[in-house]
This record gives sequence, C-alpha cells and structure tokens, in this order.
Amino acid sequence: DVKVTQSSRYLVKRTGEKVFLECVQDMDHENMFWYRQDPGLGLRLIYFSYDVKMKEKGDIPEGYSVSREKKERFSLILESASTNQTSMYLCASMGGSNTGELFFGEGSRLTVL
Amino acid sequence: SQQGEEDPQALSIQEGENATMNCSYKTSINNLQWYRQNSGRGLVHLILIRSNEREKHSGRLRVTLDTSKKSSSLLITASRAADTASYFCATGLTSGGGADGLTFGKGTHLIIQP
Repeated sequence: DVKVTQSSRYLVKRTGEKVFLECVQDMDHENMFWYRQDPGLGLRLIYFSYDVKMKEKGDIPEGYSVSREKKERFSLILESASTNQTSMYLCASMGGSNTGELFFGEGSRLTVL
Repeated sequence: SQQGEEDPQALSIQEGENATMNCSYKTSINNLQWYRQNSGRGLVHLILIRSNEREKHSGRLRVTLDTSKKSSSLLITASRAADTASYFCATGLTSGGGADGLTFGKGTHLIIQP
C-alpha cells in the first residue's frame, strides 16, 4: 500500500521558534510537495521538489524553506514561526509525469501561539 | 497560477439522492482530477479525466469534462452518509516545464443527511 507519512499530526509552537515538518514517502516518487490549507483559501502550494536537492518555490514560499536530502524525504522548515503560519500543512508526492495523481499524507496541524 | 473553482461551496442532500458538484477553470489543462477530504485528514484521489476525454466513470462516480466551457462536473449517485466530505477539483497544466503539481480549488463541502 502506498504511503506518505507526516511526522506529526498536531504541533503547538511559540512565536519565533524553529519548526520542522517531516514527510516521508515509500513510493520512490521523484516529485514531492508542501501545501498549506486554510478555511476559505483552499490548498496553496508552498514549495515543491522534483529531485533530490532540488527545490522550487510555489505560490506562497515566504517564511518557509525546504530540504530534500534523500529522495523519500521532504522537510518543510519554518525558520521563525509566526501566528499567521497557524494552519494545516499537507505533504504530497507524485511519480513520473508532473500531471499525475497526488498522494497525500494525513496532514500536520500547526498552531503557533 | 490558474485555479479551479468549485460550485456550490456547500451542498446538503438526503441519503440516497445524487450529488452534483461543478468545477470551472481558466486556462488550458492537461487533465482534471477530483479529490475527497474527510474532516481533518489528507486528500484522497478519486478520479482523473484527461483533456481529450469527455466522460469517465468509477463506481458511483461520474465525471464529465467540457474543455470548450472549461468546466467539469462530479456526480455521486446513490449517496451514502460516508460520502460526507469536502470535494476538490485540481487541474494539471498543459505546459509543465517542471513538476509544479496541481492547482486546487477551494472545495465543495458535501453533507449527506441520514
């Protein structure tokens, strides 16, 4: 069974803290993505990666960075968390063609106090 | 980036009835996909329809695509309480130039009343 695993389902952090959100996929997919989901705004793409050590900005990269040191792992980093980064974060992967099916993790709900 | 827009934003029907959701988009696409999201969970892929297809079926799901109108519809027949979820359309671009993934709409929240 294909699987995308996000390390934490729920996190509570304080303003200014550094936050790491980890995502691992077991499908040997080249492409991985980080989205955030907010009520009324839908899903917005933060960053994506189409290969190890490669990264591309999505629609809302400000305040975030990513790391892809291994093919199966894609990490989202909030260098200094702010309250407006309170959100649901969704990791996804896609194999082969860049317009194929996305496989999502269960999501990480981050609250920044 | 382009974005699909679902309509209606919310839909409440009785169990056993059919549910229809629509999606409109702005520019040429390679394919259009529908996803379901149960409350507080990740999205699950339901069905993909390519730009050269007009209709596709999967179980109780029927998807249509009208590229001239830049619109798609998702029909769920004989709805069940377990179909209660949010449904999103997502578009894959014609010109890739890189794995920029899919662009999602804001979703239709479907409630099936028992």
